[in-house]
Amino acid sequence: DAGVIQSPRHEVTEMGQEVTLRCKPISGHNSLFWYRQTMMRGLELLIYFNNNVPIDDSGMPEDRFSAKMPNASFSTLKIQPSEPRDSAVYFCASSRTRGLYEQYFGPGTRLTVT
Amino acid sequence: TQLLEQSPQFLSIQEGENLTVYCNSSSVFSSLQWYRQEPGEGPVLLVTVVTGGEVKKLKRLTFQFGDARKDSSLHITAAQPGDTGLYLCAGVKYGGSQGNLIFGKGTKLSVKP
Repeated sequence: DAGVIQSPRHEVTEMGQEVTLRCKPISGHNSLFWYRQTMMRGLELLIYFNNNVPIDDSGMPEDRFSAKMPNASFSTLKIQPSEPRDSAVYFCASSRTRGLYEQYFGPGTRLTVT
Repeated sequence: TQLLEQSPQFLSIQEGENLTVYCNSSSVFSSLQWYRQEPGEGPVLLVTVVTGGEVKKLKRLTFQFGDARKDSSLHITAAQPGDTGLYLCAGVKYGGSQGNLIFGKGTKLSVKP
């Protein structure tokens, strides 16, 4: 079975540009999570969706960040405008809504904003 | 304030040695998960512990959930270079939803041949 798919794997952009990260969750998983990982702060939850509906976006750092899940098989995380401090690895994860809440992570997108 | 404290932060050992890493909290968790993350990859789930005092084994890895469900440990016997990686614990707070899966900052393990 295909795991969580993220694209692109690497993104280098200039400050002020718009960045869009994409995620395809595992088929049958109802929950989707966006995380950001840095050396200083570790793994931080940005937002999560249940059945395509955003449940908790309290981790989204600022209005420059937005996330959508138009259907069960696709989600985007957008940063507009991007800043150097947004440089990090962004992970998407999915899980079933019930049970042990075990999450399956994608390979991540390494974002560098210069 | 970090809800889940992992220790040590870094650990460098020789192949064949044993080691234990810890995940501690003052909060009660309904379950706790351990993940391993290799460089350039996403975290991969190793195990979930649910019952206080539970012990689970995965080959040379032994996971234990504290009796009060506030802490957990991971013991590796005869470590191998392939065990190198970042070990993360993550807990679902008692009574919480899966949005409350809280991650520790991890223990970075390096096993030298």
